[in-house]
Amino acid sequence: QQQVKQSPQSLIVQKGGISIINCAYENTAFDYFPWYQQFPGKGPALLIAIRPDVSEKNEGRFTISFNKSAKQFSLHIMDSQPGDSATYFCAASNVRGGSEKLVFGKGTKLTVNP
Amino acid sequence: DGGITQSPKYLFRKEGQNVTLSCEQNLNHDAMYWYRQDPGQGLRLIYYSQIVNDFQKGDIAEGYSVSREKKESFPLTVTSAQKNPTAFYLCASRTQGYGNYGYTFGSGTRLTVV
Repeated sequence: QQQVKQSPQSLIVQKGGISIINCAYENTAFDYFPWYQQFPGKGPALLIAIRPDVSEKNEGRFTISFNKSAKQFSLHIMDSQPGDSATYFCAASNVRGGSEKLVFGKGTKLTVNP
Repeated sequence: DGGITQSPKYLFRKEGQNVTLSCEQNLNHDAMYWYRQDPGQGLRLIYYSQIVNDFQKGDIAEGYSVSREKKESFPLTVTSAQKNPTAFYLCASRTQGYGNYGYTFGSGTRLTVV
C-alpha cells in the first residue's frame, strides 16, 4: 500500500521529442505527488508537484497528468533537450493525514540524444 | 543563501569503523531526513526527525544511528553493524504545513568501504 511503482527504468529520447514517465500507487490516502530531478553526483531537486484536486499541471515544458480513478500520474517533458538528461523520481505522501514521509519510486534515467 | 550542507562529499571507511556524516540546514525547517541511494533502488528512508531531541526509524535503520540536538543539525553515524554501507547518502529537510510541503535535499555524501 505504501509503494509507488515507476516506469520505465530507463528512457532514451531524441532531442525535441516527448519524454513520458509513469507512476502508479495503491494508497488512496495519498494527496501530494511531486516529481524530483537528479543530476549525477547531486541531490534531487523538486521539479513540479500536483495535488489530486486537479488533473493536470504545467510548468514550462514539464507537465504532470493525474488520473485519480486509475491511481496513476505521469510526467511529460515536451521538446526534450540534452540538458534534461537526468534521473527522475516520482513520489507520494499523505500530507493531510499527517504523514511525515515521502514514498519514492525507484527512478527513471532519462537520456536525451542530441 | 538558505540550504542544506552535507559534508564530506566523499568519505572512505575501513571495515569495522564507525563514520559520521554531517548535515546542517539554515532553512529553519522542523523536519529532517536521511536517505540512502543505491543504483536502481531509488531513495530509501533511514531515519527522520520532526523535532529536536526526537527521531524515528525509517525503512532501513539497522546499522545506523542519528541525533538531533539542534534544529539545524542532523548527523548520521554509519556503524560497523551496517554490513553494506557503500552508497550515496542524502539528507533532506522540509517545513511543516500542507500549504508549503516540499523537501529540500543536500548534495549528498558518497561513502565507500575500503
